[in-house]
Amino acid sequence: QKEVEQNSGPLSVPEGAIASLNCTYSDRGSQSFFWYRQYSGKSPELIMSIYSNGDKEDGRFTAQLNKASQYVSLLIRDSQPSDSATYLCATRNYGQNFVFGPGTRLSVLP
Amino acid sequence: GAVVSQHPSRVICKSGTSVKIECRSLDFQATTMFWYRQFPKQSLMLMATSNEGSKATYEQGVEKDKFLINHASLTLSTLTVTSAHPEDSSFYICSATSTANSYEQYFGPGTRLTVT
Repeated sequence: QKEVEQNSGPLSVPEGAIASLNCTYSDRGSQSFFWYRQYSGKSPELIMSIYSNGDKEDGRFTAQLNKASQYVSLLIRDSQPSDSATYLCATRNYGQNFVFGPGTRLSVLP
Repeated sequence: GAVVSQHPSRVICKSGTSVKIECRSLDFQATTMFWYRQFPKQSLMLMATSNEGSKATYEQGVEKDKFLINHASLTLSTLTVTSAHPEDSSFYICSATSTANSYEQYFGPGTRLTVT
């Protein structure tokens, strides 16, 4: 069974700090990796996608992928209270369905 | 770009009735559309995957006769919850991948269904 695991949290960080969210996956055939943000009562919003090993930066967000370790992370720099949400990690083996983790709830304290 | 809409955003229906939810890709053609269900404080649960012109593929445990999916065009998929019961009350979310970039999935805003 293909699985994506995340710490459910809540992860609490002070405003301005770096939030580090982690995700591991079981399917070695996974080729695409995604981070979604979901506010309470809303649908998920894609914030980052990463396809190759290493880091990918987009504004305050950095995704890190290590396929050998089957590990994906998301760093949020200068965390803001508006970043408080549930972050979903997802993987995909091309042509197959997306597999979502249970999500990590992030709370940024003002 | 990559906007997905859903209608209605919220619906209340009586037990035993049917409810149709529409999912549209507004600015792209959707190769594949996915239907998810999410109960409070739980993660997304994939219900089914549909490709335009083909029968939907349902996940294990999802009744295809209860959750009817029609993917009539590259921009529209519908989910009909038939003979709804209170336990069907949930947040239903569709998503789509585009013909141009099938790697990324874009979600609609969701439909909150309450069955009384």
